[in-house]
Amino acid sequence: DAKTTQPPSMDCAEGRAANLPCNHSTISGNEYVYWYRQIHSQGPQYIIHGLKNNETNEMASLIITEDRKSSTLILPHATLRDTAVYYCIVRDYNQGGKLIFGQGTELSVKP
Amino acid sequence: GAGVSQSPRYKVAKRGQDVALRCDPISGHVSLFWYQQALGQGPEFLTYFQNEAQLDKSGLPSDRFFAERPEGSVSTLKIQRTQQEDSAVYLCASSLGQMNEKLFFGSGTQLSVL
Repeated sequence: DAKTTQPPSMDCAEGRAANLPCNHSTISGNEYVYWYRQIHSQGPQYIIHGLKNNETNEMASLIITEDRKSSTLILPHATLRDTAVYYCIVRDYNQGGKLIFGQGTELSVKP
Repeated sequence: GAGVSQSPRYKVAKRGQDVALRCDPISGHVSLFWYQQALGQGPEFLTYFQNEAQLDKSGLPSDRFFAERPEGSVSTLKIQRTQQEDSAVYLCASSLGQMNEKLFFGSGTQLSVL
């Protein structure tokens, strides 16, 4: 079973920051938080991951709370092409590193 | 490109027919995963290979589902005697296999069983 909880849908205005929350209150010390997104008719695409420190790359920023029970994915300047389902995943390497997906958040970026 | 390639892209099967879905992972990737995604749902794990060894098949829904990766590269997911509930997108992913390596997904095979 997925170890994360996300809102089913969110809207964001084009050009504004999109902040996608995720709760993972049962996360263990050795489990990473991964974010993937899936655009219609494509396979999931890696965005970013982290353990306990905040992370930033060319696509997004990941903010993880100090107690690691929740995190936020930030798309700093959302575009129409960012419309997708965003999955927050807790990855457990004791289970071979497989990703267990939940339902995700459907983000709609509107002009 | 050098991404994960899956074929066919679309497959229509009559109920009771056997199907074979192919996955070509990124060259050199040790780990390979199969997922099943029903309409409107997140991908669900089916099975995992490290090289040619199938280390986890806990997600395979029945003994009609069989996966192999005989030479540690290309993998085939076979579904015998297909049923309507097998209709889904089947996704393949690969990774270098080291801890903390990200998974790269293919575009999937959309299977429709009539």
